[in-house]
Amino acid sequence: KAGVTQTPRYLIKTRGQQVTLSCSPISGHRSVSWYQQTPGQGLQFLFEYFSETQRNKGNFPGRFSGRQFSNSRSEMNVSTLELGDSALYLCASSFDPGAGYEQYFGPGTRLTVT
Amino acid sequence: KQEVTQIPAALSVPEGENLVLNCSFTDSAIYNLQWFRQDPGKGLTSLLLIQSSQREQTSGRLNASLDKSSGRSTLYIAASQPGDSATYLCAAVNRDDKIIFGKGTRLHILP
Repeated sequence: KAGVTQTPRYLIKTRGQQVTLSCSPISGHRSVSWYQQTPGQGLQFLFEYFSETQRNKGNFPGRFSGRQFSNSRSEMNVSTLELGDSALYLCASSFDPGAGYEQYFGPGTRLTVT
Repeated sequence: KQEVTQIPAALSVPEGENLVLNCSFTDSAIYNLQWFRQDPGKGLTSLLLIQSSQREQTSGRLNASLDKSSGRSTLYIAASQPGDSATYLCAAVNRDDKIIFGKGTRLHILP
């Protein structure tokens, strides 16, 4: 069974631009969560999608958004990029929704904002 | 507000030693406590998940304990191997279904 895939793996953007990251969950998994990892703040929860609906949300500004498609694939978008958005963005999938279930993580997308 | 702390931030031990990684959390009303492993530049791998009603979980050479009253969890690694070198993160899942991660302990096993 293929694992969680994320594309692209690396991305360089300029301040003020926007970016879209993609996540394909494990086949059969219906929940996708997104996380931001930085050296200073560590790993922080962004949001979770289940059945194409945002089920839970962390404490991030509205510039961070996401969506989920009917095949459970998910995208996250960051608009008006800031230098502080440079981070490793991880997505994780699980069969059932909620942080209490075992999640399977993808390798991440490394975003650098210059 | 839940805070999760892992001490030490980094640890080096000779191969073959048993070791303990520590995790503390401020709000004992958790749903569960999870331990993950992260290799450099990669995503997380789930190691152990302890429900709030449990005291410990074991998987191979790994044993994780949970003491909600003191707000602590420990990950015990027996007979450490160089392949165990990685960053280990613990995470507390709150009743509101939010997951809070510690900043991790970077473990280096010396051959």
